[in-house]
Amino acid sequence: EPEVTQTPSHQVTQMGQEVILRCVPISNHLYFYWYRQILGQKVEFLVSFYNNEISEKSEIFDDQFSVERPDGSNFTLKIRSTKLEDSAMYFCASSQTGVALTYNEQFFGPGTRLTVL
Amino acid sequence: KQEVTQIPAALSVPEGENLVLNCSFTDSAIYNLQWFRQDPGKGLTSLLLIQSSQREQTSGRLNASLDKSSGRSTLYIAASQPGDSATYLCAVKNYGGSQGNLIFGKGTKLSVKP
Repeated sequence: EPEVTQTPSHQVTQMGQEVILRCVPISNHLYFYWYRQILGQKVEFLVSFYNNEISEKSEIFDDQFSVERPDGSNFTLKIRSTKLEDSAMYFCASSQTGVALTYNEQFFGPGTRLTVL
Repeated sequence: KQEVTQIPAALSVPEGENLVLNCSFTDSAIYNLQWFRQDPGKGLTSLLLIQSSQREQTSGRLNASLDKSSGRSTLYIAASQPGDSATYLCAVKNYGGSQGNLIFGKGTKLSVKP
């Protein structure tokens, strides 16, 4: 069964460093998302992406964050200068359809645990 | 602003028991509601999606219901097994916005004792 994959599974970085989290969405999906979950808290939406541009972003997704689809398969989240509070599990998700259709099931990857020291 | 609440926060039951997990949301203008399972330190596995026009969805031992007008959904698990132990999350997608992000509850941590 097709699934969303993410690499690495765990990333440790020093505060102020840049990190890139990678995702391979399900191949026939057109809509891509990043969410994060700080330990013990709710899963929070960061950004959605369609047709090579951001379609929606939350207030968490500030200028330190960027997303890119560098080729036909990968979808990346970059954090330019990491802060301690960026430590979280980051989930990538994809869906075949967008919000215009009520049947819009999002499929999530296993996550990347980011630890900022 | 949409708020999603899940009660109880944790539930422990003996194997074989039927159980109900609850999810409530403050804004009834939703496109759909999705139930997920999350194992410790792992990703989210989609269990069921209920469209706004539907009242319930079933998959195996799972049955999810939706009452939009009262802002409630339940996930019914029949004949629970130890392998069902996990955190169960519900998430809603609101009307409005472009691609519509999911808004999550904090989850119910289920423990099924053998």
